[in-house]
Amino acid sequence: AQKITQTQPGMFVQEKEAVTLDCTYDTSDQSYGLFWYKQPSSGEMIFLIYQGSYDEQNATEGRYSLNFQKARKSANLVISASQLGDSAMYFCAMREGTSGTYKYIFGTGTRLKVLA
Amino acid sequence: DADVTQTPRNRITKTGKRIMLECSQTKGHDRMYWYRQDPGLGLRLIYYSFDVKDINKGEISDGYSVSRQAQAKFSLSLESAIPNQTALYFCATELAGGPYNEQFFGPGTRLTVL
Repeated sequence: AQKITQTQPGMFVQEKEAVTLDCTYDTSDQSYGLFWYKQPSSGEMIFLIYQGSYDEQNATEGRYSLNFQKARKSANLVISASQLGDSAMYFCAMREGTSGTYKYIFGTGTRLKVLA
Repeated sequence: DADVTQTPRNRITKTGKRIMLECSQTKGHDRMYWYRQDPGLGLRLIYYSFDVKDINKGEISDGYSVSRQAQAKFSLSLESAIPNQTALYFCATELAGGPYNEQFFGPGTRLTVL
């Protein structure tokens, strides 16, 4: 079974609008972390935002926010005021395990295209 | 200068050849990882190392080996390359105990096995 599921292979959004990229996860751990990374066409992986399983507030980093719904096991990324430079591949990832045995699992990604 | 570097950035090799991909970091992180990325499959973990004396297999370690020569260096070897090892390979580092434990990625090595 997939531990990280990103159901949207591709998304379009109009410039200056908000967009939500979906991510659901599966783990039996009580303590885990959820991450979003951006991969532009140049290929590098860029860390965007982190949500810990015990964090009560949704994480925010500038125009990025993470809509964390623990009971539903979802960790959707919201990008507000989209910019052309946001066009990229976006990966959701989960860190599970205990200190010393952490492992990371990545989803298959969502390709976002921002339209002018 | 980049904090995580990978060499080579691109490599074309032939089936059966031995090849080594190198990763160096100046971040002082203790943890290092090797991933491969294939279209439609996201990133998959090959090997990881939490310190110089600690090496662990990831989900797709068959056909690969690694060496942690120093805290700053983590090499990935393909002993006998095969075409389905054609992929984009990423090295990543992580600081244990950091606020997020996020990973910092190198620029990637694009490997083609003919």
